[in-house]
Amino acid sequence: NAGVTQTPKFRVLKTGQSMTLLCAQDMNHEYMYWYRQDPGMGLRLIHYSVGEGTTAKGEVPDGYNVSRLKKQNFLLGLESAAPSQTSVYFCASSPAGSGASLFGPGTRLTVL
Amino acid sequence: SQQGEEDPQALSIQEGENATMNCSYKTSINNLQWYRQNSGRGLVHLILIRSNEREKHSGRLRVTLDTSKKSSSLLITASRAADTASYFCATEGAGSYQLTFGKGTKLSVIP
Repeated sequence: NAGVTQTPKFRVLKTGQSMTLLCAQDMNHEYMYWYRQDPGMGLRLIHYSVGEGTTAKGEVPDGYNVSRLKKQNFLLGLESAAPSQTSVYFCASSPAGSGASLFGPGTRLTVL
Repeated sequence: SQQGEEDPQALSIQEGENATMNCSYKTSINNLQWYRQNSGRGLVHLILIRSNEREKHSGRLRVTLDTSKKSSSLLITASRAADTASYFCATEGAGSYQLTFGKGTKLSVIP
């Protein structure tokens, strides 16, 4: 199993550009999450999904949208990137119910 | 806002010593988890302790949970240079699907 993979690993955007980050998991996990991590900070939850076709807002959802059309994929979109969205983005998945999350390697995004 | 707060923010010890990190949180939880993050990498799950458990062991790791004080501690015994990393506690709130992370403790183990 590859676990959780994220595409791309690095990206540089200009203010106002859009992009989509892709997260894929092959663990058949029900739950998937998108976090951002800023220097000296822990992870903050952006959006999450508890199943195919469902999404919900986390702690810092503004400026982001998500979709979970297939159980194994969770997409994070930035419609109009801003410098404040410069961060490292982590995707994670976990089985339904209380359990450990499996994290992807991260995507480092810079918005100029 | 972040639920868990780790203490200390940074810790430097000699190889072979024990390392203790603490986590405090604010609301009722289903469980509390500890993760490790090596520089520039993703997080790796270390251990999960449920709200009805008081202590849990995994190899050189020992986690305690005191729900009356809303606090947890992670003890790494006989530390190694390879233990150098940031350690985060994360809480799953009661009735929630979400994990809320603290800001982490940066551990440096000097060979």
